[in-house]
Amino acid sequence: QKEVEQDPGPLSVPEGAIVSLNCTYSNSAFQYFMWYRQYSRKGPELLMYTYSSGNKEDGRFTAQVDKSSKYISLFIRDSQPSDSATYLCAMSWGAQKLVFGQGTRLTINP
Amino acid sequence: EAGVVQSPRYKIIEKKQPVAFWCNPISGHNTLYWYLQNLGQGPELLIRYENEEAVDDSQLPKDRFSAERLKGVDSTLKIQPAELGDSAVYLCASSGDGSTDTQYFGPGTRLTVL
Repeated sequence: QKEVEQDPGPLSVPEGAIVSLNCTYSNSAFQYFMWYRQYSRKGPELLMYTYSSGNKEDGRFTAQVDKSSKYISLFIRDSQPSDSATYLCAMSWGAQKLVFGQGTRLTINP
Repeated sequence: EAGVVQSPRYKIIEKKQPVAFWCNPISGHNTLYWYLQNLGQGPELLIRYENEEAVDDSQLPKDRFSAERLKGVDSTLKIQPAELGDSAVYLCASSGDGSTDTQYFGPGTRLTVL
């Protein structure tokens, strides 16, 4: 079993829809939780960063962490075609060693 | 501010040939990472440098892979000899000194081994 599990999709939704992306993990030592966005043929770029449990909002993006359930989510409101990308969850226990999920490929249809 | 620079962007070689990838991190970033990303997978850490020192190379296949970071700035990752299974994207990332500092990724080098 992988330390971080993420549904690879693909996920296809119409423009304007709310998108929900999720990851589960098994290592209770993880304290830092991140979401990266990766466009085709590009490197991952950090989208959201959360420490421990709770919610964090940044514009149309909301990240949620539920450590009791070992479950993290990323919500995208009013999705745009430019949001089409692969979304990677990543987590660490502070030792700078990120453990990534498989990535979910998302397409927003105009 | 320039981001992480990697070259070449694409490389096609035949199996058993050597190959090298180069990375220039963001100015002032002391920590440098090399990741391997297979198709449809998330990146996996190969090696992490703090300045010139490799502090985590536990996932680096040392029989054929080597890396160096001379003078604590640029880094080179080498494979010799390359195998078919090495076809992947090799990503370089850098971060500041803090343990929670954001890792910034370069565009990667896409390697195809024929």
